[in-house]
Amino acid sequence: KAGVTQTPRYLIKTRGQQVTLSCSPISGHRSVSWYQQTPGQGLQFLFEYFSETQRNKGNFPGRFSGRQFSNSRSEMNVSTLELGDSALYLCASSLAEQNNEKLFFGSGTQLSVL
Amino acid sequence: GDSVTQMEGPVTLSEEAFLTINCTYTATGYPSLFWYVQYPGEGLQLLLKATKADDKGSNKGFEATYRKETTSFHLEKGSVQVSDSAVYFCALREAGTALIFGKGTTLSVSS
Repeated sequence: KAGVTQTPRYLIKTRGQQVTLSCSPISGHRSVSWYQQTPGQGLQFLFEYFSETQRNKGNFPGRFSGRQFSNSRSEMNVSTLELGDSALYLCASSLAEQNNEKLFFGSGTQLSVL
Repeated sequence: GDSVTQMEGPVTLSEEAFLTINCTYTATGYPSLFWYVQYPGEGLQLLLKATKADDKGSNKGFEATYRKETTSFHLEKGSVQVSDSAVYFCALREAGTALIFGKGTTLSVSS
């Protein structure tokens, strides 16, 4: 069974641009979560989707948005990029949304904003 | 809101030493507790979990016990190996909310 796939693996953008990151969950998984990982702040929760509906949202500005498609694939978008958006963006999937569910993580997209 | 506090690293140990990584949490209800591990260049993977008070999670020689009275979930291993070098994250999740992580503790084991 294929794992969680995130594309692209690396991205370099300049300030003010926008970016779209993609995540394909494990087949059959209906829940997808996104996290931002930085050395200073660790892992910070962005959003969580289940069956195309946003279930939870973290404390990030409106420049960060996401969506989930009917095949459970998910995208996140960051508009008007800032230097501080440079981070590893991790996607995770799970079968359901219960609080004891194991999350399966992808290897992430490393975003560098210059 | 809910939060997780981990001991700051890095933790540096010699092979076969005893490991403890402290983790305490704040939650309004009855969360499930987790330890995730991130090996160099890889994504996070679940190491162990516990879903109610006094449960003990264990995997690969690692253990952690859900202590409601002290709101703690400390990770222990009796004899670490070089291959255990990684970043360890404590996390919690309450019903209807997202998985919340601590900032991570880097473990470095030398032979």
